[in-house]
This record gives sequence, structure tokens and C-alpha cells, in this order.
Amino acid sequence: EIVLTQSPATLSLSPGERVTLSCWASQHVSSRWLAWYQQKPGQPPRLLIYGASSRATGIPDRFSGSGSGTDFTLTISRLEPEDFAVYYCQQYGTSPTFGPGTKVDLK
Amino acid sequence: QIQLVQSGPEVKKPGASVNVSCKASGYTFTSYGVSWIRQAPGQGPEWVGWISAETGNTNFAQKFQGRVTMTTDTSTSTAYMELRSLTSDDTALYYCARAARNFWSDYFIYWGQGTLVTVSS
Repeated sequence: EIVLTQSPATLSLSPGERVTLSCWASQHVSSRWLAWYQQKPGQPPRLLIYGASSRATGIPDRFSGSGSGTDFTLTISRLEPEDFAVYYCQQYGTSPTFGPGTKVDLK
Repeated sequence: QIQLVQSGPEVKKPGASVNVSCKASGYTFTSYGVSWIRQAPGQGPEWVGWISAETGNTNFAQKFQGRVTMTTDTSTSTAYMELRSLTSDDTALYYCARAARNFWSDYFIYWGQGTLVTVSS
């Protein structure tokens, strides 16, 4: 099983700031099969990025993904008020696994 | 629009079984599989397994092998998950989800609203 680690656990930021979230895999993730989700309280996760860098339908271009192998990054270029949430990475190169999440909260 | 609507919350005693249903609409049910994913309070999601709505083939995460059954009813476009021998560690929100492709390991575009399963004596 591929174990995903996310850092940091919590980020306290202000609207307008640039956000960089990291996700590390315990093994190589084949074909960049990594996704990112956003989750708000009381809601299921919402797909943001798939294939490490492709934005899902309807996702604003302030969200971008990068990385390959074992190191992946989600960047929010300019934090909007609606972006305060928990972010999870997920690999689907083998049996799907999710990371523990990074909470982005208001400073 | 594509919707996945799940059954209501459940409270079970340790050792019991739970059945959760997921009714799909807005797409051809047999063209995709259904995954079940759970999320314990304050934790990341955890994939439980997948069932092909076309063939009934299943693929489960190793930790649930032997304890989970997944089925579908194509006449009602509904997927079912049964989890047996429940312990307090199984207390979680259980989601059904549909992936982008008809494949057991993929990313998830559509999610149900979640079914809270509480295991308590």
C-alpha cells in the first residue's frame, strides 16, 4: 500500500496569500496518478486536480498541481475566502489511498 | 445531473453488521463502478472497495477482505455495502463515489452525501 504524507497539518493564512501544500508518497506513484480534493465541514470531498496537474471541471485557475514520482504540490495562487478548508491528496496508481489532509484556516 | 443518494444514519452494537445503500441517477448505472470510501472523525478518507455495476466484479482494500460485501441492483441503479463484525473503529461517515472511468482504482468525481455509521455498546 502506498502511504501518503501531507505537510503541514495546519496552515493559518490570510485572504490574498499564496498557498503551497505538499504531499509525499512512500513509493513512486505511476503515471502521475495523483489527485487533490477540497473538503468543507459537512460536505464530501470535492475533486480539484487529477493526473497531478489537470484541473477538474469548474475549478478556478488559481488552483494548480505539480509534481511526479513521490513528491507532489498543490498551489493556490491567491487565497479566496471560500478556499479555507481541508485539502487531501489521493493516489490511484495502485489500491487508492488518501493523505491525512492539510487544514487551511483563517489567521 | 448525476446524483448519488445514500441511506440514513445507522447505530449498531459491536459485532453487528450494517448495510448502506447508494442510489445513482443521471447516468447509465452499468457504465461505471461504485466505490465505497469511509472517513472517521477528524481523519482522511479511506477507500473500502469497488464494485463493477456491469459485471459485479469487486476489489477490496486488504484490511476489509472477508468482512465486506458489495452488491448492485441494476433494476434500481442502487449499490449496497455490507460491513460485518463491527467494532468501534468502524465508526465513520461512509460515502459511495463514482470515479471518472470504469476502473477499480481511479479518482472520484461524484460523491454521495455520506451515511454516518456509529458503533457503540
